[in-house]
Amino acid sequence: GIQVEQSPPDLILQEGANSTLRCNFSDSVNNLQWFHQNPWGQLINLFYIPSGTKQNGRLSATTVATERYSLLYISSSQTTDSGVYFCAVNTGNQFYFGTGTSLTVIP
Amino acid sequence: GAVVSQHPSRVICKSGTSVKIECRSLDFQATTMFWYRQFPKQSLMLMATSNEGSKATYEQGVEKDKFLINHASLTLSTLTVTSAHPEDSSFYICSARGGQGDPYGYTFGSGTRLTVV
Repeated sequence: GIQVEQSPPDLILQEGANSTLRCNFSDSVNNLQWFHQNPWGQLINLFYIPSGTKQNGRLSATTVATERYSLLYISSSQTTDSGVYFCAVNTGNQFYFGTGTSLTVIP
Repeated sequence: GAVVSQHPSRVICKSGTSVKIECRSLDFQATTMFWYRQFPKQSLMLMATSNEGSKATYEQGVEKDKFLINHASLTLSTLTVTSAHPEDSSFYICSARGGQGDPYGYTFGSGTRLTVV
């Protein structure tokens, strides 16, 4: 199956800092989503972004499908941004999750 | 947007018993739902694809007799963990593809944390 790798695996930020999370995938995909998993385990949809760029407040995402990667930008980070960020890709009827980036924002 | 409800959110059961987890699409019909399992500090692994009115498709290495999936209607899929053992303790999450034109792609339930004692 498709390989989905995320980097960095762990990230510690001072509140107010910016960060970029990366998702690389090994094959063409129909769909890519970014999720934030909060400390209670709930997955929150951030972006549905098979290609192009989208922005939502302090978050934005860019997917370059031809080069098989996606980036999630977090600006002016807040402690509530802490948690694990996953990208997930769909290649038809299969949906694969990346390895995740664990983000800790300290005050 | 599309909403998927998962119940229960937490369950503790004794070894040897069976536990049923429900996944409902609240405002759309889902012919296909997906079940994932997540171990602590790890990613989500697809267990099976649940198809309304037909048998589920299980991923390699997933015991279909232990993890029974039923998708009896267009809004409900259930996962039953049979004869549960402590190693079945995990976080289980379901998802469904949103209705036509859903901008969010796949929507996930809030998960079920299963503890087998």
